[in-house]
Amino acid sequence: EDKVVQSPLSLVVHEGDTVTLNCSYEVTNFRSLLWYKQEKKAPTFLFMLTSSGIEKKSGRLSSILDKKELSSILNITATQTGDSAIYLCAVEARSKLIFGTGTRLQVFP
Amino acid sequence: NAGVMQNPRHLVRRRGQEARLRCSPMKGHSHVYWYRQLPEEGLKFMVYLQKENIIDESGMPKERFSAEFPKEGPSILRIQQVVRGDSAAYFCASSLQGVVEQYFGPGTRLTVT
Repeated sequence: EDKVVQSPLSLVVHEGDTVTLNCSYEVTNFRSLLWYKQEKKAPTFLFMLTSSGIEKKSGRLSSILDKKELSSILNITATQTGDSAIYLCAVEARSKLIFGTGTRLQVFP
Repeated sequence: NAGVMQNPRHLVRRRGQEARLRCSPMKGHSHVYWYRQLPEEGLKFMVYLQKENIIDESGMPKERFSAEFPKEGPSILRIQQVVRGDSAAYFCASSLQGVVEQYFGPGTRLTVT
């Protein structure tokens, strides 16, 4: 059965800290891995990764895929309270996205 | 350019009633996906539709749930004879082509009393 596992489930940090969120997967016919940020409403797209070893970057957020290890990490540097959200990892496989349960990040001032 | 629209945003139903959730995809998008999110859980794929066709319904419960995406009008997710366990947030997403770069709607929060 296809599955996507995220860790940690929950993370509490102070502003300015750097965090690393993990995502591992076991799926048939992997095509790409995506990261989303979910605040109170709809998930918003962050990154799509298809090639191993190539870092995607957007401001203080960056992500990289390791196809050999079947995993990805999402880094957030110099965290801010506005980064507080659930971060979802999803894998594209066989015409659908399979989501992990998410990592809940709380950033306190 | 409006995003994905879902209505209603909140829906309360008593056990045994029917729930109809609507999703209007982004303009020009012909691929629609429905997901269910239980409290403290990730999104679970339910069904993938293109206009007038169900492409993948492997995540849909076999009974009481159905989905359609007619040639005209929004996509509808229909839940008959709702039970308490159906209480969840239901998200719709649309894409221009294929599975990736799905844009999500704000969700419908269904509460069954």
